[in-house]
Amino acid sequence: DAEITQSPRHKITETGRQVTLACHQTWNHNNMFWYRQDLGHGLRLIHYSYGVQDTNKGEVSDGYSVSRSNTEDLPLTLESAASSQTSVYFCASSESTISSYNEQFFGPGTRLTVL
Amino acid sequence: LAKTTQPISMDSYEGQEVNITCSHNNIATNDYITWYQQFPSQGPRFIIQGYKTKVTNEVASLFIPADRKSSTLSLPRVSLSDTAVYYCLVEDGGFKTIFGAGTRLFVKA
Repeated sequence: DAEITQSPRHKITETGRQVTLACHQTWNHNNMFWYRQDLGHGLRLIHYSYGVQDTNKGEVSDGYSVSRSNTEDLPLTLESAASSQTSVYFCASSESTISSYNEQFFGPGTRLTVL
Repeated sequence: LAKTTQPISMDSYEGQEVNITCSHNNIATNDYITWYQQFPSQGPRFIIQGYKTKVTNEVASLFIPADRKSSTLSLPRVSLSDTAVYYCLVEDGGFKTIFGAGTRLFVKA
């Protein structure tokens, strides 16, 4: 069965360190997304990609970067982790048909703690 | 992207029908209305999507009036396992999604 996975599921790091969160999907979806979820804020879009070599900033992209070298993966990098980036991170993917809405499939999430 | 407004929380009892209304006054012609469900420690899951009138699937119904400035998610005969956060989204099929804070539904026995 197709799926979307994230790793690690839990991560503790220190302020200033670079951290990369992995996201891998086997749906063969062109669209991939990264969100963060904080208590009381729902999900906020960090970065998204419509295909290989395409990346776009979301509403809370400062301090984060992504790269898309293949269809299956969209790693999220925190260049210099800050305590404000302690959050739960969700990756999602969707098809790229234009004629109708594209349901997003979410991964299980990564809980990141920055000390 | 049109913003949405929905109640922060709702309580219900098992077996009751629950209706969660979302307002989206600035909805555009190309926008779809979509609802997701999220359980604790899990990613959101798609429930239902519509453009106008009524849509029904095995999980829920979605009612959209003619002006499309609001929508109502209807969950028939809820159970304890329907306790979750429900998100209303409006988007144009351009793949980018804006989630609000959602409605926290608590179903009591």
